[in-house]
Amino acid sequence: NAGVTQTPKFRVLKTGQSMTLLCAQDMNHEYMYWYRQDPGMGLRLIHYSVGEGTTAKGEVPDGYNVSRLKKQNFLLGLESAAPSQTSVYFCASSYSPPRNTEAFFGQGTRLTVV
Amino acid sequence: AQSVTQPDIHITVSEGASLELRCNYSYGATPYLFWYVQSPGQGLQLLLKYFSGDTLVQGIKGFEAEFKRSQSSFNLRKPSVHWSDAAEYFCAVNPGQAGGTSYGKLTFGQGTILTVHP
Repeated sequence: NAGVTQTPKFRVLKTGQSMTLLCAQDMNHEYMYWYRQDPGMGLRLIHYSVGEGTTAKGEVPDGYNVSRLKKQNFLLGLESAAPSQTSVYFCASSYSPPRNTEAFFGQGTRLTVV
Repeated sequence: AQSVTQPDIHITVSEGASLELRCNYSYGATPYLFWYVQSPGQGLQLLLKYFSGDTLVQGIKGFEAEFKRSQSSFNLRKPSVHWSDAAEYFCAVNPGQAGGTSYGKLTFGQGTILTVHP
């Protein structure tokens, strides 16, 4: 059972380049989330999805877009990367309320924008 | 807005010493509470969680946490720290069904880095 899988694990981008981070879960979870982790700031929610075809903004959505075309996949896109987007990105998934009392996390993607 | 505060950014203890990591939250109702651990370069692993009932919860790796409603706290403890416990620890809150627009979303504290001296 793979759980939550993120690809890639590492990436270096030049300012202005675009990229997509892929998150896949095999637990049939309805909810999926993208967080970014920065030193001293914990994890902050970027975007989330409560089901296939739906997305919503989190705490820090600017500069990112997401799509949830299939229930098991949640994509995070950076259209024009900026150095401020250098971070570690975590995907998570959970059941919908009231079962969503626990979120399961991927291993993270370390992104550097130069 | 709900918030989670971990007052200690960095804690250093000696191996074998006891440990307490603090977590306070600001939310009207009792939310779901979690502690996660992150080893360097790794993802987040769930240590323990509190939903309701007994206010002292046991987790993996010998950790426990106590929920204190009057103090809005959920402190993590371990009686005797091992060198392998060196990591970053995150407290997180899920507001549950009373969360309105925050329903189902985890809010994290800033994290506490634990260093263990031999």
